[in-house]
Amino acid sequence: KAGVTQTPRYLIKTRGQQVTLSCSPISGHRSVSWYQQTPGQGLQFLFEYFSETQRNKGNFPGRFSGRQFSNSRSEMNVSTLELGDSALYLCASSLQLAGIDEQYFGPGTRLTVT
Amino acid sequence: EDKVVQSPLSLVVHEGDTVTLNCSYEVTNFRSLLWYKQEKKAPTFLFMLTSSGIEKKSGRLSSILDKKELFSILNITATQTGDSAIYLCAVEHPGNTPLVFGKGTRLSVIA
Repeated sequence: KAGVTQTPRYLIKTRGQQVTLSCSPISGHRSVSWYQQTPGQGLQFLFEYFSETQRNKGNFPGRFSGRQFSNSRSEMNVSTLELGDSALYLCASSLQLAGIDEQYFGPGTRLTVT
Repeated sequence: EDKVVQSPLSLVVHEGDTVTLNCSYEVTNFRSLLWYKQEKKAPTFLFMLTSSGIEKKSGRLSSILDKKELFSILNITATQTGDSAIYLCAVEHPGNTPLVFGKGTRLSVIA
Protein backbone atom coordinates (compact mmCIF):
# COMPACT_ATOMS: atom_id res chain seq x y z
CA LYS A 1 0.00 0.00 0.00
CA ALA A 2 1.44 3.39 -0.98
CA GLY A 3 2.13 5.81 1.83
CA VAL A 4 1.07 9.41 2.25
CA THR A 5 2.45 11.58 -0.51
CA GLN A 6 2.95 15.32 -0.51
CA THR A 7 3.78 17.65 -3.35
CA PRO A 8 5.84 19.60 -3.92
CA ARG A 9 8.66 18.49 -1.64
CA TYR A 10 10.41 21.86 -1.72
CA LEU A 11 9.15 25.31 -2.48
CA ILE A 12 10.63 28.78 -2.42
CA LYS A 13 8.29 31.76 -2.44
CA THR A 14 8.58 35.46 -1.75
CA ARG A 15 6.66 37.46 0.82
CA GLY A 16 3.16 38.38 -0.23
CA GLN A 17 2.74 35.44 -2.59
CA GLN A 18 0.41 32.56 -2.00
CA VAL A 19 1.10 28.85 -2.06
CA THR A 20 -0.89 25.63 -2.39
CA LEU A 21 0.38 22.35 -0.98
CA SER A 22 -1.09 18.98 -1.79
CA CYS A 23 -1.47 15.78 0.20
CA SER A 24 -2.67 12.38 -0.98
CA PRO A 25 -3.58 10.10 1.92
CA ILE A 26 -3.17 6.36 2.11
CA SER A 27 -5.87 4.65 0.10
CA GLY A 28 -8.96 4.19 2.23
CA HIS A 29 -8.01 6.84 4.77
CA ARG A 30 -10.63 9.54 5.13
CA SER A 31 -8.99 11.87 7.61
CA VAL A 32 -6.19 14.24 6.66
CA SER A 33 -4.49 16.49 9.20
CA TRP A 34 -2.01 19.25 8.45
CA TYR A 35 0.85 20.34 10.72
CA GLN A 36 3.45 23.08 10.62
CA GLN A 37 6.84 22.21 12.03
CA THR A 38 9.43 24.84 12.90
CA PRO A 39 12.55 24.55 15.07
CA GLY A 40 11.20 26.97 17.65
CA GLN A 41 7.59 25.83 17.89
CA GLY A 42 7.79 22.15 17.14
CA LEU A 43 4.88 20.42 15.48
CA GLN A 44 1.74 22.54 15.52
CA PHE A 45 -1.66 21.45 14.33
CA LEU A 46 -3.22 23.44 11.50
CA PHE A 47 -6.48 21.67 10.64
CA GLU A 48 -8.07 18.31 10.01
CA TYR A 49 -10.44 17.27 7.25
CA PHE A 50 -12.71 14.29 7.29
CA SER A 51 -15.05 13.40 4.45
CA GLU A 52 -14.53 16.81 2.82
CA THR A 53 -15.41 18.72 5.99
CA GLN A 54 -13.09 20.60 8.26
CA ARG A 55 -13.49 18.84 11.56
CA ASN A 56 -10.83 20.55 13.67
CA LYS A 57 -8.85 23.75 13.40
CA GLY A 58 -5.72 24.95 15.18
CA ASN A 59 -4.75 28.46 16.19
CA PHE A 60 -3.51 29.81 12.89
CA PRO A 61 -4.61 32.98 11.12
CA GLY A 62 -7.16 32.95 8.34
CA ARG A 63 -4.36 33.13 5.75
CA PHE A 64 -4.09 29.39 6.27
CA SER A 65 -6.90 27.44 4.69
CA GLY A 66 -7.51 24.00 3.35
CA ARG A 67 -9.94 21.72 1.66
CA GLN A 68 -10.50 18.06 1.00
CA PHE A 69 -11.80 16.47 -2.15
CA SER A 70 -14.14 13.54 -2.58
CA ASN A 71 -11.17 11.19 -3.12
CA SER A 72 -9.79 12.34 0.28
CA ARG A 73 -6.90 14.23 -1.26
CA SER A 74 -6.34 17.49 0.53
CA GLU A 75 -4.81 20.85 -0.24
CA MET A 76 -3.74 23.61 2.04
CA ASN A 77 -3.31 27.18 0.93
CA VAL A 78 -1.37 30.00 2.52
CA SER A 79 -2.03 33.47 1.23
CA THR A 80 0.01 36.64 1.69
CA LEU A 81 3.08 34.69 2.76
CA GLU A 82 5.23 35.99 5.59
CA LEU A 83 8.82 35.13 6.43
CA GLY A 84 7.60 33.30 9.52
CA ASP A 85 5.64 30.88 7.36
CA SER A 86 8.92 29.20 6.40
CA ALA A 87 8.55 25.71 7.81
CA LEU A 88 8.11 22.04 7.09
CA TYR A 89 4.44 21.32 6.40
CA LEU A 90 3.44 17.77 7.18
CA CYS A 91 0.21 16.05 6.46
CA ALA A 92 -0.96 12.87 8.12
CA SER A 93 -3.77 10.52 7.24
CA SER A 94 -5.74 8.04 9.26
CA LEU A 95 -8.77 5.83 8.94
CA GLN A 96 -10.54 7.62 11.75
CA LEU A 97 -12.87 4.77 12.47
CA ALA A 98 -14.28 4.42 15.95
CA GLY A 99 -11.62 3.70 18.51
CA ILE A 100 -7.95 4.42 18.71
CA ASP A 101 -6.40 5.24 15.40
CA GLU A 102 -2.87 5.80 14.16
CA GLN A 103 -1.74 8.66 11.96
CA TYR A 104 0.64 8.11 9.09
CA PHE A 105 2.75 11.09 8.08
CA GLY A 106 3.83 12.15 4.65
CA PRO A 107 7.39 13.29 3.85
CA GLY A 108 6.46 16.94 4.14
CA THR A 109 6.84 20.05 2.01
CA ARG A 110 9.69 22.36 2.93
CA LEU A 111 8.51 25.92 2.31
CA THR A 112 11.00 28.76 2.33
CA VAL A 113 9.70 32.31 2.19
CA THR A 114 12.23 34.97 1.21
CA GLU B 1 -4.32 25.16 27.62
CA ASP B 2 -3.05 21.66 26.85
CA LYS B 3 0.69 21.22 27.21
CA VAL B 4 3.10 18.47 26.30
CA VAL B 5 6.66 19.02 27.48
CA GLN B 6 9.56 16.87 26.42
CA SER B 7 12.98 16.76 28.01
CA PRO B 8 15.78 17.00 27.34
CA LEU B 9 15.50 19.09 24.19
CA SER B 10 18.65 17.52 22.85
CA LEU B 11 20.99 14.76 23.84
CA VAL B 12 24.30 13.43 22.56
CA VAL B 13 25.36 9.92 23.55
CA HIS B 14 27.86 7.31 22.42
CA GLU B 15 26.91 4.09 20.74
CA GLY B 16 25.99 1.46 23.29
CA ASP B 17 24.68 3.93 25.84
CA THR B 18 21.16 3.71 27.23
CA VAL B 19 18.98 6.81 27.02
CA THR B 20 15.74 7.85 28.65
CA LEU B 21 13.55 10.48 27.04
CA ASN B 22 10.84 12.18 29.05
CA CYS B 23 7.39 13.45 28.18
CA SER B 24 5.08 15.14 30.66
CA TYR B 25 1.64 16.43 29.86
CA GLU B 26 -1.20 18.53 31.12
CA VAL B 27 -4.36 18.00 29.12
CA THR B 28 -8.02 18.39 29.90
CA ASN B 29 -9.00 14.95 28.64
CA PHE B 30 -6.64 12.12 27.94
CA ARG B 31 -7.09 9.06 25.78
CA SER B 32 -3.59 8.00 24.79
CA LEU B 33 0.02 9.07 24.49
CA LEU B 34 1.99 8.39 21.35
CA TRP B 35 5.69 8.36 20.56
CA TYR B 36 7.06 9.06 17.10
CA LYS B 37 10.56 8.96 15.62
CA GLN B 38 11.40 11.62 13.04
CA GLU B 39 14.57 11.08 11.05
CA LYS B 40 14.55 13.10 7.87
CA LYS B 41 11.04 14.16 7.17
CA ALA B 42 8.03 12.09 8.15
CA PRO B 43 7.54 11.07 11.79
CA THR B 44 7.06 7.33 12.07
CA PHE B 45 4.93 5.76 14.75
CA LEU B 46 6.63 3.95 17.63
CA PHE B 47 4.19 3.34 20.46
CA MET B 48 0.71 4.14 21.66
CA LEU B 49 0.14 4.00 25.41
CA THR B 50 -3.25 4.09 27.02
CA SER B 51 -2.90 2.24 30.30
CA SER B 52 -0.75 3.18 33.20
CA GLY B 53 2.11 0.92 34.19
CA ILE B 54 2.09 -1.35 31.14
CA GLU B 55 5.37 -1.31 29.25
CA LYS B 56 5.32 -1.38 25.49
CA LYS B 57 8.43 -2.88 23.96
CA SER B 58 9.85 -3.12 20.48
CA GLY B 59 13.39 -4.40 20.21
CA ARG B 60 15.70 -2.01 22.03
CA LEU B 61 12.94 0.55 22.53
CA SER B 62 10.46 0.52 25.34
CA SER B 63 8.00 2.97 26.79
CA ILE B 64 5.80 3.26 29.82
CA LEU B 65 3.05 5.61 30.91
CA ASP B 66 2.24 6.94 34.36
CA LYS B 67 -1.27 8.42 34.25
CA LYS B 68 -1.19 9.45 37.88
CA GLU B 69 1.97 11.53 37.52
CA LEU B 70 1.11 12.50 33.91
CA PHE B 71 4.29 11.44 32.18
CA SER B 72 5.81 8.87 29.93
CA ILE B 73 9.35 7.76 29.27
CA LEU B 74 10.92 6.27 26.19
CA ASN B 75 13.97 4.09 26.78
CA ILE B 76 16.47 3.10 24.16
CA THR B 77 19.10 0.55 25.17
CA ALA B 78 22.38 -0.19 23.39
CA THR B 79 21.94 2.87 21.20
CA GLN B 80 23.11 2.82 17.58
CA THR B 81 23.88 5.66 15.19
CA GLY B 82 20.64 4.82 13.40
CA ASP B 83 18.74 5.86 16.50
CA SER B 84 19.77 9.47 15.84
CA ALA B 85 16.51 11.32 15.27
CA ILE B 86 14.00 13.66 16.82
CA TYR B 87 11.65 11.79 19.13
CA LEU B 88 8.19 13.29 19.38
CA CYS B 89 5.61 12.70 22.05
CA ALA B 90 1.94 13.50 21.44
CA VAL B 91 -1.20 13.26 23.50
CA GLU B 92 -4.56 12.24 22.08
CA HIS B 93 -7.89 13.41 23.45
CA PRO B 94 -11.07 11.37 23.34
CA GLY B 95 -13.11 11.94 20.24
CA ASN B 96 -11.80 13.11 16.93
CA THR B 97 -9.65 15.97 18.12
CA PRO B 98 -6.12 16.73 17.02
CA LEU B 99 -3.01 15.38 18.64
CA VAL B 100 -1.04 17.77 20.84
CA PHE B 101 2.67 17.39 20.22
CA GLY B 102 5.67 18.20 22.36
CA LYS B 103 8.62 19.99 20.76
CA GLY B 104 10.64 16.83 20.58
CA THR B 105 13.98 15.56 21.84
CA ARG B 106 16.83 15.57 19.34
CA LEU B 107 18.97 12.51 19.99
CA SER B 108 22.40 12.21 18.41
CA VAL B 109 24.25 8.93 18.76
CA ILE B 110 27.93 9.12 17.91
CA ALA B 111 30.21 6.19 17.11
